[in-house]
Amino acid sequence: GENVEQHPSTLSVQEGDSAVIKCTYSDSASNYFPWYKQELGKRPQLIIDIRSNVGEKKDQRIAVTLNKTAKHFSLHITETQPEDSAVYFCAASNFNKFYFGSGTKLNVKP
Amino acid sequence: NAGVTQTPKFQVLKTGQSMTLQCAQDMNHEYMSWYRQDPGMGLRLIHYSVGAGITDQGEVPNGYNVSRSTTEDFPLRLLSAAPSQTSVYFCASSYVASGEGEQFFGPGTRLTVL
Repeated sequence: GENVEQHPSTLSVQEGDSAVIKCTYSDSASNYFPWYKQELGKRPQLIIDIRSNVGEKKDQRIAVTLNKTAKHFSLHITETQPEDSAVYFCAASNFNKFYFGSGTKLNVKP
Repeated sequence: NAGVTQTPKFQVLKTGQSMTLQCAQDMNHEYMSWYRQDPGMGLRLIHYSVGAGITDQGEVPNGYNVSRSTTEDFPLRLLSAAPSQTSVYFCASSYVASGEGEQFFGPGTRLTVL
């Protein structure tokens, strides 16, 4: 089955700086890659996603890049704000199944 | 719309007991799924369904059963609870039949097995 690895496990940045979280996957059949944000005690919520026929997608301060050849994808958050502090999960999907990374705890210091 | 609802919010079981975690959605989504979330391990797929009458196993299906008799409901049954099943359980649904679109998660059920 698919194996998704996520790094780093924790990330601390100063408000206004950029944050980058990286994920790798093992199954070349995976074709959909969402990112979820989970605040403490809350449910995960989708923040951005990308499909395998696209290399990059942006939504305001958030962007995701995908390198199919290397089987890795990354989340980029620019101009970070304290409200960006949360746990972020990447995931890879193929044949109706989702495989999640272990999560990155982002702390944005004011 | 209530979205995705789950009951109960909290549950304590003794080893060997059985129970059903309820999940319902009112968005007419075809795809529904169950995950467990353990510290440091992210979300792991237990079972999923691409429509009423159709279910399939995910990454960690052992010890759990599901059924999907209606589009709205997708209950998860623990047949004989074990301490290893202590976890937070999330149900999710998606408007994309394959699930490859936004998944909307329920609020979760925190289960403790003693």
